[in-house]
Amino acid sequence: NAGVMQNPRHLVRRRGQEARLRCSPMKGHSHVYWYRQLPEEGLKFMVYLQKENIIDESGMPKERFSAEFPKEGPSILRIQQVVRGDSAAYFCASSRPPLENQETQYFGPGTRLLVL
Amino acid sequence: AQTVTQSQPEMSVQEAETVTLSCTYDTSESNYYLFWYKQPPSRQMILVIRQEAYKQQNATENRFSVNFQKAAKSFSLKISDSQLGDTAMYFCAFMKHDGGGADGLTFGKGTHLIIQP
Repeated sequence: NAGVMQNPRHLVRRRGQEARLRCSPMKGHSHVYWYRQLPEEGLKFMVYLQKENIIDESGMPKERFSAEFPKEGPSILRIQQVVRGDSAAYFCASSRPPLENQETQYFGPGTRLLVL
Repeated sequence: AQTVTQSQPEMSVQEAETVTLSCTYDTSESNYYLFWYKQPPSRQMILVIRQEAYKQQNATENRFSVNFQKAAKSFSLKISDSQLGDTAMYFCAFMKHDGGGADGLTFGKGTHLIIQP
């Protein structure tokens, strides 16, 4: 009964490169959320997705960031042309469909992104 | 927009003592959920306890219980018989629920709880 899986756990990029973060939800979960945690801070919501559909991206920076959750495969958070300020821990969470009253979000272990 | 405030940046208690972490929130929503998550040094986010706003009864999970005061918009976490493994950052979180779908969580800044041997 695997939990939420994220990879890689650690990612080092140089300024201007692209970062791709992957998230596989728990079995039976069809909803994925991405959060960012800057050092010494709480998590900040970025985006909420269902399969092939972005539900809410109000927390996502308008430029360089994108997210997808294809019909097959993991959810991907993509950061283009990374800058040092993108260095953070990126957490993925998943939940069952809300109408089942099981909205509790379960988190993956996070990906620590370091931009040099 | 919702806000979540945790006014205690750090707390320290002796093992086996009881400790209460405070959390207040501000919202105009009537239907929502509240959560406490724990983040130990491993940085993994672990669900501790969940409370539905429409339920008057306070949630409990073994040594963890909440004091939910809806009118005061207060949601404190009580840890009884604290253990060394309870040392972690504790985050209070809010999620609105409008019947049509869920939402992203809004987190407080966290309380660093240290259990001393």
